[in-house]
Amino acid sequence: DVKVTQSSRYLVKRTGEKVFLECVQDMDHENMFWYRQDPGLGLRLIYFSYDVKMKEKGDIPEGYSVSREKKERFSLILESASTNQTSMYLCASSLDDRLGAKNIQYFGAGTRLSVL
Amino acid sequence: QKEVEQDPGPLSVPEGAIVSLNCTYSNSAFQYFMWYRQYSRKGPELLMYTYSSGNKEDGRFTAQVDKSSKYISLFIRDSQPSDSATYLCATPKYNFNKFYFGSGTKLNVKP
Repeated sequence: DVKVTQSSRYLVKRTGEKVFLECVQDMDHENMFWYRQDPGLGLRLIYFSYDVKMKEKGDIPEGYSVSREKKERFSLILESASTNQTSMYLCASSLDDRLGAKNIQYFGAGTRLSVL
Repeated sequence: QKEVEQDPGPLSVPEGAIVSLNCTYSNSAFQYFMWYRQYSRKGPELLMYTYSSGNKEDGRFTAQVDKSSKYISLFIRDSQPSDSATYLCATPKYNFNKFYFGSGTKLNVKP
């Protein structure tokens, strides 16, 4: 079974703090994703990585950065946390299968971040 | 127009009912479709995965794709209270570096 592990289930941080959210997958997937999920807004893509050290901006990258130094690990960084970044953050991974047959996203359990 | 549209519900049904959850999509080039189930305060988990048109059945769940009308459905037979969750439909972009998700339909199955 694919396993995507997010380091924290719940986090409480203060405005202005630098926040690190960690994600690890154990299936040797090339692609990794960070989303945030808010009521009424659904899943919104923050950043995507298709290989080590490679990244692409998603739909809402402002205020976030990412790091992928190893294939299995993808980190989301909030440089200076703000209250509007209070949200559920979801990490996902998928195989880079150009035929599409195995191109399914697998999600972690999520990190619920509160910025006070 | 969003790539994938989904009625947010909520949908409330009695235990044992047949549930129909639906999504529409905008791009006829989409070929792969997924349904995820998300329990409260948890991450989405893959429920069903289909390719192109037709039906796929897995136990009480049936996923259906109608490419002519760009309509995807998930049917749940003999629904159980444990099926109470938010259901998300999804489809990948042609180059698979992005996935489009519906906003999710919240289902409540009453005992």
